[in-house]
Amino acid sequence: EPEVTQTPSHQVTQMGQEVILRCVPISNHLYFYWYRQILGQKVEFLVSFYNNEISEKSEIFDDQFSVERPDGSNFTLKIRSTKLEDSAMYFCASRDRETGELFFGEGSRLTVL
Amino acid sequence: GQQLNQSPQSMFIQEGEDVSMNCTSSSIFNTWLWYKQDPGEGPVLLIALYKAGELTSNGRLTAQFGITRKDSFLNISASIPSDVGIYFCAGQLYGNKLVFGAGTILRVKS
Repeated sequence: EPEVTQTPSHQVTQMGQEVILRCVPISNHLYFYWYRQILGQKVEFLVSFYNNEISEKSEIFDDQFSVERPDGSNFTLKIRSTKLEDSAMYFCASRDRETGELFFGEGSRLTVL
Repeated sequence: GQQLNQSPQSMFIQEGEDVSMNCTSSSIFNTWLWYKQDPGEGPVLLIALYKAGELTSNGRLTAQFGITRKDSFLNISASIPSDVGIYFCAGQLYGNKLVFGAGTILRVKS
């Protein structure tokens, strides 16, 4: 069964460092998303991406964040200069064209020290 | 912005008991979804509801899309230990981003 895959599964970084989280969405999906979940809290929307551009973003998604689809398969989230409060699980999702259902990856845990 | 109120926050029940949880919103949604999240993993879709009033089952799970489009409930019948996890409701408008509830932590004692 096709699935969304994410790498790395866990990354530890120093505050101020740049981080890139990678996602491979399901191949025939067209909409892609990043969500964030701080430990013990709910899943929060960060950004949606369609047709090579951001279609919507939340107030969390400030200038330190960027997304890119550098080739036909990868979808990346970059955090330019990480802060302690960026520590969270980051989930990538892609949307089924017919049903609109979102399928989530297993997440990338980011720990900022 | 849109917010969902999910309750209860947590439940600790006996194996075999039925479970009920619900979500309400001040905004309407076109789609209601229920996800389960196991520790260290991403949310996995359990049930999707597309029409107001719709009642859908998936094995021991039953969910309904409220007639006002502002609420939904999820029932789990005859709970088993592997039902343990966090259950999230999510609302979706016109196939767009999901808005998640805060989650219901379910613990089952056998």
